[in-house]
Amino acid sequence: AQSVTQLGSHVSVSEGALVLLRCNYSSSVPPYLFWYVQYPNQGLQLLLKYTSAATLVKGINGFEAEFKKSETSFHLTKPSAHMSDAAEYFCAVSDFDTNAGKSTFGDGTTLTVKP
Amino acid sequence: GAGVSQSPRYKVAKRGQDVALRCDPISGHVSLFWYQQALGQGPEFLTYFQNEAQLDKSGLPSDRFFAERPEGSVSTLKIQRTQQEDSAVYLCASSHAVRAGKGNEQFFGPGTRLTVL
Repeated sequence: AQSVTQLGSHVSVSEGALVLLRCNYSSSVPPYLFWYVQYPNQGLQLLLKYTSAATLVKGINGFEAEFKKSETSFHLTKPSAHMSDAAEYFCAVSDFDTNAGKSTFGDGTTLTVKP
Repeated sequence: GAGVSQSPRYKVAKRGQDVALRCDPISGHVSLFWYQQALGQGPEFLTYFQNEAQLDKSGLPSDRFFAERPEGSVSTLKIQRTQQEDSAVYLCASSHAVRAGKGNEQFFGPGTRLTVL
């Protein structure tokens, strides 16, 4: 069984400050990990994914995430927040080998960026 | 040939009505997923198709939920005798991959927001 825990349902940062969104996962097999962003009334857009290659993954819009197996974590970071980053962020885990890629999502973190 | 499209975008149903939600995946995508996203929560898996075959329907909450993809392209999620707890956003996603290592990104549609009164 797989699960994802996103620590902090709401995160607020000032424009230009570091963004850190936390994600811990549980998986019985080597996982595929994803971060998605969702803007109001829109579908999910992939930010980045970890698929057992490099542990530091760079995504779109300046986001990156580091896979740490020892900590079962996949935290999302961005050095400098922009107003346009305000959105809902979801971490997801997928086990391709046994379930054809269906994903288990966390409950999401709402990012607010203050001017 | 843009992304995944879903229709309708919004649906209001009276309790007990049947509804049908449509998903048009990206052309050529083999895999198709349906997810249910309740307010304030992450998406939860409902069902998965590989071409026209429904390989996993373990997430369907009750026998009132039924999904099909008869020609391996467009998919329809049908909910019979809707209940208030069915109110949610229903997301469709497609992928050209069927197993690891062959590109496993899921592309999501905008969703259908279902409100059952």
